[in-house]
Amino acid sequence: DQQVKQNSPSLSVQEGRISILNCDYTNSMFDYFLWYKKYPAEGPTFLISISSIKDKNEDGRFTVFLNKSAKHLSLHIVPSQPGDSAVYFCAASPQGGSQGNLIFGKGTKLSVKP
Amino acid sequence: EAQVTQNPRYLITVTGKKLTVTCSQNMNHEYMSWYRQDPGLGLRQIYYSMNVEVTDKGDVPEGYKVSRKEKRNFPLILESPSPNQTSLYFCASSPGTAEKLFFGSGTQLSVL
Repeated sequence: DQQVKQNSPSLSVQEGRISILNCDYTNSMFDYFLWYKKYPAEGPTFLISISSIKDKNEDGRFTVFLNKSAKHLSLHIVPSQPGDSAVYFCAASPQGGSQGNLIFGKGTKLSVKP
Repeated sequence: EAQVTQNPRYLITVTGKKLTVTCSQNMNHEYMSWYRQDPGLGLRQIYYSMNVEVTDKGDVPEGYKVSRKEKRNFPLILESPSPNQTSLYFCASSPGTAEKLFFGSGTQLSVL
């Protein structure tokens, strides 16, 4: 049973436009959410996170929105750049941001076209 | 340079031949973990270790062993590999938070 779902395996966006990556979760015990970015031949790297006590967190071009009632979060990238082309993993934790018991989604491959 | 080093990067082996994938970190992190990435399944945790001599199962531990005799090393052992263990493996370490989870570059394993 998938607890963290990324239903879009891929997304293609034009450079300069907004990229919106979505993630749904089923476990109401999750209280911390993260996005990781992965380039080919490299390991994932942390991008941005949000605690369940917030509904928005912003870091430069990246903003994560959390809708607890819908058990849904989204990552917005504005403006999108070709260097953002990567696989993005959503992850959730029931332990307030602890690295243990992180549950990852399947990932969404973002392609930003020049 | 702070890093998590996995070896080898690529490995082709045959069913039943024991193998070890090494993982070493130079950041003095207490927490280390192994994940596997498969198409359509994302990243799944195999084993993790909160500290030396402390290990625990993740979501998919069957067919794998780990040991944590030293803080910096966390090898992944496949005693009798099978084709369903063909996957991309990542080792990761952290000082205590998910934001600071550092991943290695991965080991692509093919079991024939």
